[in-house]
Amino acid sequence: GQQVMQIPQYQHVQEGEDFTTYCNSSTTLSNIQWYKQRPGGHPVFLIQLVKSGEVKKQKRLTFQFGEAKKNSSLHITATQTTDVGTYFCAGKAGGGGSYIPTFGRGTSLIVHP
Amino acid sequence: DSGVTQTPKHLITATGQRVTLRCSPRSGDLSVYWYQQSLDQGLQFLIQYYNGEERAKGNILERFSAQQFPDLHSELNLSSLELGDSALYFCASSDGTGVQPQHFGDGTRLSIL
Repeated sequence: GQQVMQIPQYQHVQEGEDFTTYCNSSTTLSNIQWYKQRPGGHPVFLIQLVKSGEVKKQKRLTFQFGEAKKNSSLHITATQTTDVGTYFCAGKAGGGGSYIPTFGRGTSLIVHP
Repeated sequence: DSGVTQTPKHLITATGQRVTLRCSPRSGDLSVYWYQQSLDQGLQFLIQYYNGEERAKGNILERFSAQQFPDLHSELNLSSLELGDSALYFCASSDGTGVQPQHFGDGTRLSIL
């Protein structure tokens, strides 16, 4: 079945440093979604990418979707303590049926002040 | 606040017992999804309902069942509980079945003693 891998599993950074998490799929994806889950919280939708090579920005966050639509990345510039949490990518291979994305295991970001 | 309501927030019970988790989707959303989140398995999709009908099934055990009622709220029934069922159970909703963001509730933390 479809697999979505995320690396790294954990990332410790000093406040102000940059952070990147990578998402790789075993199959071509129709789209990719990114979610953030704060400690003790629930996943919150951040963004969705659909087009090959697409890049989207949200303030200090930059999201990319690979040209082959099999990988994606989330880059945070100058991390802040409010960025702490686990970042999940979720995607589904193309085809019909309900949109049920496969979630990656997530990357937990720990920001040290 | 995602608009998705889950009850109860915490549930402690014993092996062999049966519990019911409840979810009210965001106003206007017709799709409800159930997920299980555990430390070693990440976010696992269980089942999806759309407007009262089952639309997709994931890694849901036969001991588990769900339904969506005419008022669109959903219940997840877990029976013959085992220690390994201890996890965080999330409900999410979206307004359709296509490629859309999912809005997650706060989850129900189930602890089996």
